Amino acid sequence: TQLLEQSPQFLSIQEGENLTVYCNSSSVFSSLQWYRQEPGEGPVLLVTVVTGGEVKKLKRLTFQFGDARKDSSLHITAAQPGDTGLYLCAGRPSGSARQLTFGSGTQLTVLP
Amino acid sequence: SQTIHQWPATLVQPVGSPLSLECTVEGTSNPNLYWYRQAAGRGLQLLFYSVGIGQISSEVPQNLSASRPQDRQFILSSKKLLLSDSGFYLCAWSAHRDGELFFGEGSRLTVL
Repeated sequence: TQLLEQSPQFLSIQEGENLTVYCNSSSVFSSLQWYRQEPGEGPVLLVTVVTGGEVKKLKRLTFQFGDARKDSSLHITAAQPGDTGLYLCAGRPSGSARQLTFGSGTQLTVLP
Repeated sequence: SQTIHQWPATLVQPVGSPLSLECTVEGTSNPNLYWYRQAAGRGLQLLFYSVGIGQISSEVPQNLSASRPQDRQFILSSKKLLLSDSGFYLCAWSAHRDGELFFGEGSRLTVL
């Protein structure tokens, strides 16, 4: 079973629409990271959230860390074709010696 | 500035042949180094990580091995490839355990 579950797995929307991607776990995380990956390239970090309830904004992207630090969401406003990509959340359970664990990913396609 | 490079970018190998993927980091010292494998459009599975020269930790049992002969060099190897070894392999580095991961360009391996 995946430590971090992302939903939806696939999302195809029209340019200008809003969307939300979810990253859920039964474990508590000390921090969560969100990455975006384009085809044939490595993922690139978008944001790190560390405090329960924290909200961070990056232009049209809004990231939220759940109060209990078990989940996170990524909301995109007025999506554009350039937002197309694979969105990955990643985190390490609190108090764990484990390395960073990645979610299963959400493949977003924004159609012009 | 720091850079990370991995090669080759694409590799097609017959079953039973050996494998060597190389990764080098420049502009930093004593990085944490990682090898991930990614199935098409999905999350990343950590294969190996290293916190120093000659120190390799394996996350999952498999047909692959890793070595770190120099501070900024990380090599992924196999003596005999299996069909199931096909995938997209990503090398990454971080300055510390909880830090941002910086990924290489990826190596796509097809085993026939």
